[in-house]
Amino acid sequence: DTEVTQTPKHLVMGMTNKKSLKCEQHMGHRAMYWYKQKAKKPPELMFVYSYEKLSINESVPSRFSPECPNSSLLNLHLHALQPEDSALYLCASSQGSGLGQPQHFGDGTRLSIL
Amino acid sequence: EDKVVQSPLSLVVHEGDTVTLNCSYEVTNFRSLLWYKQEKKAPTFLFMLTSSGIEKKSGRLSSILDKKELFSILNITATQTGDSAVYLCAVEAEGNTDKLIFGTGTRLQVFP
Repeated sequence: DTEVTQTPKHLVMGMTNKKSLKCEQHMGHRAMYWYKQKAKKPPELMFVYSYEKLSINESVPSRFSPECPNSSLLNLHLHALQPEDSALYLCASSQGSGLGQPQHFGDGTRLSIL
Repeated sequence: EDKVVQSPLSLVVHEGDTVTLNCSYEVTNFRSLLWYKQEKKAPTFLFMLTSSGIEKKSGRLSSILDKKELFSILNITATQTGDSAVYLCAVEAEGNTDKLIFGTGTRLQVFP
């Protein structure tokens, strides 16, 4: 088990559904990240929150909407996803931007779009 | 364009063998290089390297960085079946320190 907790572990949804992925850490980290990972590929950065503000959006389609309610929580709201969005979604956290500390990953949510 | 290249793409060895995984990079304003191990789920952090020539060691794993030749190696001695995983190399650049640029990984399989 990791210190970054993601729920749910698995999610199957239709293209018209709305769902949310959740991520939580209690390490006092001030930077949190969403990555998308397809099979046999490395993680691809989607979003970065630094001190609860969105600092990086890697040109992600608007059907993915991130939210950072507080420094411990990070959500990813999903709406009208496409089959190609099926992937492992990883959350990570680090102490903060530019502090030279590594990112620590959660176990991910495996998402399947029907 | 910044890029990270890992080799080999895959490796099959027997328990007890020693393996060397390679990571080369081209990044503007390099800051650090990280190694992660990924089994079925979360990439787990192994090492962060910022200085050339200083070996980092954790048990049977060790890693070193060469900033002149722009590469790093990850060594695993006396491999065990539990070492079977994908090993990911990632690089972080100055001024964009939240963005890790990952290589495609090396898939290591260790057989008894």
